[in-house]
Amino acid sequence: NAGVTQTPKFRILKIGQSMTLQCAQDMNHNYMYWYRQDPGMGLKLIYYSVGAGITDKGEVPNGYNVSRSTTEDFPLRLELAAPSQTSVYFCASSFAGYNSPLHFGNGTRLTVT
Amino acid sequence: DQQVKQNSPSLSVQEGRISILNCDYTNSMFDYFLWYKKYPAEGPTFLISISSIKDKNEDGRFTVFLNKSAKHLSLHIVPSQPGDSAVYFCAASARTGGFKTIFGAGTRLFVKA
Repeated sequence: NAGVTQTPKFRILKIGQSMTLQCAQDMNHNYMYWYRQDPGMGLKLIYYSVGAGITDKGEVPNGYNVSRSTTEDFPLRLELAAPSQTSVYFCASSFAGYNSPLHFGNGTRLTVT
Repeated sequence: DQQVKQNSPSLSVQEGRISILNCDYTNSMFDYFLWYKKYPAEGPTFLISISSIKDKNEDGRFTVFLNKSAKHLSLHIVPSQPGDSAVYFCAASARTGGFKTIFGAGTRLFVKA
């Protein structure tokens, strides 16, 4: 039981490049989330999903896209990377909705130069 | 607009003593509160939670207190251990807020041996 697995752990992108951050969970959780953490700041919700085929925007969705074709996977796509997207990205899942603790992956550290 | 605030960026405590981490919130609709612990290069892990119908929840060395009238919660760790040194995030969510868990900026706890 691996929990929430994120790949890659680190990535450096040039401005304007694109990439996909991968996230997979093996707990059969319906709810999945993408957060970003900037230095000295809390985690900001980018996108979330309440089940396969259903996604919605969080607090800071601009510059990102997501898809949820299976219960297990929730990739985050960055199109046209910008320096403002330099951050640590965390994927999380939960069994239920608002009153269910989140299970986090170990993060992807992304630098855009 | 920070809805969840942790005003102390860091806290240093002697081993064996009590650690008290504080959190304030502004949204009166929040009705579920959580604390997460984060070690470097790892994702946050769930520590303890409390529903707004309670004013205290205890789990071993960890106790969370909720003061709804003051919109304030605190995490007490007794006794503090060196392994408790980590960043602690306060988080809150609302039944009517969809599936958005809002995080504070975190407090870094140092427990000195």
